[in-house]
Amino acid sequence: GESVGLHLPTLSVQEGDNSIINCAYSNSASDYFIWYKQESGKGPQFIIDIRSNMDKRQGQRVTVLLNKTVKHLSLQIAATQPGDSAVYFCAEKNGGSQGNLIFGKGTKLSVKP
Amino acid sequence: EAGVVQSPRYKIIEKKQPVAFWCNPISGHNTLYWYLQNLGQGPELLIRYENEEAVDDSQLPKDRFSAERLKGVDSTLKIQPAELGDSAVYLCASSLQMNTEAFFGQGTRLTVV
Repeated sequence: GESVGLHLPTLSVQEGDNSIINCAYSNSASDYFIWYKQESGKGPQFIIDIRSNMDKRQGQRVTVLLNKTVKHLSLQIAATQPGDSAVYFCAEKNGGSQGNLIFGKGTKLSVKP
Repeated sequence: EAGVVQSPRYKIIEKKQPVAFWCNPISGHNTLYWYLQNLGQGPELLIRYENEEAVDDSQLPKDRFSAERLKGVDSTLKIQPAELGDSAVYLCASSLQMNTEAFFGQGTRLTVV
């Protein structure tokens, strides 16, 4: 069945360091992936997305890497700031008639000042 | 432009009582999702609408849950009767199309006592 999971449930980094959050997915038919950030008491906030015809996409301080061979997705945050502290979810969509957004369990990122 | 708006933000009810949640998606967004999120978990899809049509409600517990999206805009999610295990955050999200990023509301935190 479909599943999206994360390798590390918690991640603690020093302010200014780079963070890497990993995600594994099992549905090879998934063609669209999204990273979300969720702060306490709020809904998930879109960070960056990537389609399956790409292996890398960069945003402001964030980079998403997609390795379809091993079904792995990662989110890199450069110069991590205290405001980056949150739970991060990867989500996958498969196209066609399904197109549902399936979430993994999440990784909690804590940034130490 | 306003994001996805949900109400109420919080709801406390006694078990066996009915409850309803309301969602106003971003203007022009055809796809609307309802998710359930338990503490420490990723959101789980309940139902997805494309305009006014529920295209996937396979995860909706139909014995007690119902949803509607009249005129393909606002949506309501209802639980009747509520059970203790329904305590969770109910999230609404919308996207322009099926394979574009979904934007989430703040969610409704339901507590069933």
